[in-house]
Amino acid sequence: KNEVEQSPQNLTAQEGEFITINCSYSVGISALHWLQQHPGGGIVSLFMLSSGKKKHGRLIATINIQEKHSSLHITASHPRDSAVYICAVNTDTGTASKLTFGTGTRLQVTL
Amino acid sequence: EAGVTQFPSHSVIEKGQTVTLRCDPISGHDNLYWYRRVMGKEIKFLLHFVKESKQDESGMPNNRFLAERTGGTYSTLKVQPAELEDSGVYFCASSKEGFYGYTFGSGTRLTVV
Repeated sequence: KNEVEQSPQNLTAQEGEFITINCSYSVGISALHWLQQHPGGGIVSLFMLSSGKKKHGRLIATINIQEKHSSLHITASHPRDSAVYICAVNTDTGTASKLTFGTGTRLQVTL
Repeated sequence: EAGVTQFPSHSVIEKGQTVTLRCDPISGHDNLYWYRRVMGKEIKFLLHFVKESKQDESGMPNNRFLAERTGGTYSTLKVQPAELEDSGVYFCASSKEGFYGYTFGSGTRLTVV
């Protein structure tokens, strides 16, 4: 069993829908990251969280440390949001530590 | 500032050959990480440099993989001899000391045939 689990693995939505991607982890963490990878593209960092909630444009990320769970929400989804969304955690203390990744959620937003 | 640059973007080699992947981190980023995604699996850690020193190489699969970081600048990852199971996408990331944010390269897709 992976230390970081994401659900769903695949998600298809229509433009304008509200989308939620979930991430659960089974280890102690110092930070959690949400990353985005467009087809054929590199990985882009969306959020880094250690508590609470962060918002950037139509993206919202939340984390519940007690429940070891994080969610990434996309409001008013658009086809350009189609990408793989990856949850990753720092399990070591300190800022210079490696990431442990989930398998990713492939999102397809259609017109 | 320029991002993290990786090359080649794609490489197709025959089993038994040698391949060298290169990563140029953001200037001033002391931390450099190599990761790999094998098809259908999650991205996995290979190793971490702090400047020119290997801080953690616990993810290196075996001694066919050799990573170097010359003068604490760019890094190379050499696979010799390559095997079929080495196929995947190799990502490099860098970060500043004391800062959690990471910048990733676009990856090198390695196919061993």
